[in-house]
Amino acid sequence: GENVEQHPSTLSVQEGDSAVIKCTYSDSASNYFPWYKQELGKGPQLIIDIRSNVGEKKDQRIAVTLNKTAKHFSLHITETQPEDSAVYFCAASIANFGNEKLTFGTGTRLTIIP
Amino acid sequence: DTGVSQDPRHKITKRGQNVTFRCDPISEHNRLYWYRQTLGQGPEFLTYFQNEAQLEKSRLLSDRFSAERPKGSFSTLEIQRTEQGDSAMYLCASSHSVSGNTIYFGEGSWLTVV
Repeated sequence: GENVEQHPSTLSVQEGDSAVIKCTYSDSASNYFPWYKQELGKGPQLIIDIRSNVGEKKDQRIAVTLNKTAKHFSLHITETQPEDSAVYFCAASIANFGNEKLTFGTGTRLTIIP
Repeated sequence: DTGVSQDPRHKITKRGQNVTFRCDPISEHNRLYWYRQTLGQGPEFLTYFQNEAQLEKSRLLSDRFSAERPKGSFSTLEIQRTEQGDSAMYLCASSHSVSGNTIYFGEGSWLTVV
């Protein structure tokens, strides 16, 4: 089955600096890669996703890049703010009919230092 | 906004008791998922429904676990004869097969088995 590795497990950055979180996946058939933000005691919140037919996607301060050849994808947060502090999870799945389960990484605890 | 709704949010039960969690997906979402998340880990897939059909079950879903989605709307997850190892957050998520598999999570149901 799919295996997703995520690094680093913890990350501290000064407010205003950029943060980068990296994930690798094992199954070359995976074609859908979402990122979720999880705050304490809450469920994961989708913040951005990318499909295998594109290499990069951006939404305001958040961007995701995908390298299918190397089987890795990354989350970039620019101009970080205190409210960006949370645990971030990457995930991968094969988005086709009848097989939609996400395999998650182990998470990155991001702390923004004011 | 009617996001994914889960009930109860917290449940403390004695070992050996049965518990049931309910999930109401986003309106018109035909796919519904159950995941389990333990502290410090990413969510792990348990099972998945398309409409009322349960299409996939993880090997994590032992015989003590049963999930139903009788009318293709809300779903229940029952755990029989709970064990301390069942303590976790049980997450429900939903998506629509036409919208490209964007999966939205609820806030989760915390289970503590004492």
